[in-house]
Amino acid sequence: ETGVTQTPRHLVMGMTNKKSLKCEQHLGHNAMYWYKQSAKKPLELMFVYNFKEQTENNSVPSRFSPECPNSSHLFLHLHTLQPEDSALYLCASSYQLVAQETQYFGPGTRLLVL
Amino acid sequence: AQSVAQPEDQVNVAEGNPLTVKCTYSVSGNPYLFWYVQYPNRGLQFLLKYITGDNLVKGSYGFEAEFNKSQTSFHLKKPSALVSDSALYFCAVRALYNQGGKLIFGQGTELSVKP
Repeated sequence: ETGVTQTPRHLVMGMTNKKSLKCEQHLGHNAMYWYKQSAKKPLELMFVYNFKEQTENNSVPSRFSPECPNSSHLFLHLHTLQPEDSALYLCASSYQLVAQETQYFGPGTRLLVL
Repeated sequence: AQSVAQPEDQVNVAEGNPLTVKCTYSVSGNPYLFWYVQYPNRGLQFLLKYITGDNLVKGSYGFEAEFNKSQTSFHLKKPSALVSDSALYFCAVRALYNQGGKLIFGQGTELSVKP
């Protein structure tokens, strides 16, 4: 479980705040992902990066801005969020961006937007 | 379009009894199927996956799953449930042709194992 770490684990922010979520993987993987997990809904893929390049943006509002400076680190910058953005944000990584590769998840950041 | 269904929101099992968590999928072409478990306030932990070959896949913590192509199912099973197995279980699918990142998840099944 320590292969993918996320900080902070909990975050409370107002709608006018700017904050960032951080993800780090220690598995030597090349692909990284952001997912959103809301209550009573399936996990939603937000962004995919492969070798630091963004390969997928799943129609995510611009108030979420990802950044991937290298294959080990992934950030999600947040600004002017809405209360409905409150959720568990999960980071994942995989060795390659191919269908049979297993994605390994971090513990998540529990976000509350007031 | 790819989709996954977990028809039961909750499964209740007595400790020591066998457990089954159901999953059916819809995908064009050959599927890759995954099971994950999520404990409270934790991320998802990988249990097992089906890629190809033997239809019975064995995974972590004594879990196994059987791929049934004709019924498009991938049910998770364990011969003898433990109280510590109580958690939220997710089935997920990707198609062979989908070389991108999109793993499609079911809505999850809450497993409760009582002593």
